[in-house]
Amino acid sequence: AQTVTQSQPEMSVQEAETVTLSCTYDTSESDYYLFWYKQPPSRQMILVIRQEAYKQQNATENRFSVNFQKAAKSFSLKISDSQLGDAAMYFCAYMDGVGDMRFGAGTRLTVKP
Amino acid sequence: DTEVTQTPKHLVMGMTNKKSLKCEQHMGHRAMYWYKQKAKKPPELMFVYSYEKLSINESVPSRFSPECPNSSLLNLHLHALQPEDSALYLCASSQDRYRANTEAFFGQGTRLTVV
Repeated sequence: AQTVTQSQPEMSVQEAETVTLSCTYDTSESDYYLFWYKQPPSRQMILVIRQEAYKQQNATENRFSVNFQKAAKSFSLKISDSQLGDAAMYFCAYMDGVGDMRFGAGTRLTVKP
Repeated sequence: DTEVTQTPKHLVMGMTNKKSLKCEQHMGHRAMYWYKQKAKKPPELMFVYSYEKLSINESVPSRFSPECPNSSLLNLHLHALQPEDSALYLCASSQDRYRANTEAFFGQGTRLTVV
């Protein structure tokens, strides 16, 4: 079974600064997908960024980028120029080749003004 | 329309009640999911439907009964629940379970309280 580990239960960042959230996973598959989802107090899970395992290039979406290290099974999220609206619970997720998604325990991000 | 709509948003039910949660999407997605999320925990996969057929049941107790009447609708029928079943129930959909290069869209969830 695949497991996803987020070792930082809580993180804090100053507004406009950069923060990195860590995620590691364990799998024997070669074809899989990795995601970062954000869950604000409104409860809805919102996709932040996605990475296909077969792609070597790290995904970027505006202020969000990932550092994908396939051999190390590491998938960290970097948030640049942090904004107050970035405050939320962030979940790292692994999706296997048949589309079943598993989540890490989550990291609660606080943004200080 | 990239919405997954869940109703009701909140539900309080007694242990002898029968109730249903509803999930609807009109994106043409053929995979739909139920997740259970306890407070301060990640979502846990319960059921997966692919092309209206149940593909995965993650050893969920029989007091939870999923139903997929058509490709746009997913229900979760609840009967004889326990207080520990109180949680946020999230529905999600994706284009096709066997084409994993797509994201899952989530609804806002139903906050269930069993009294």
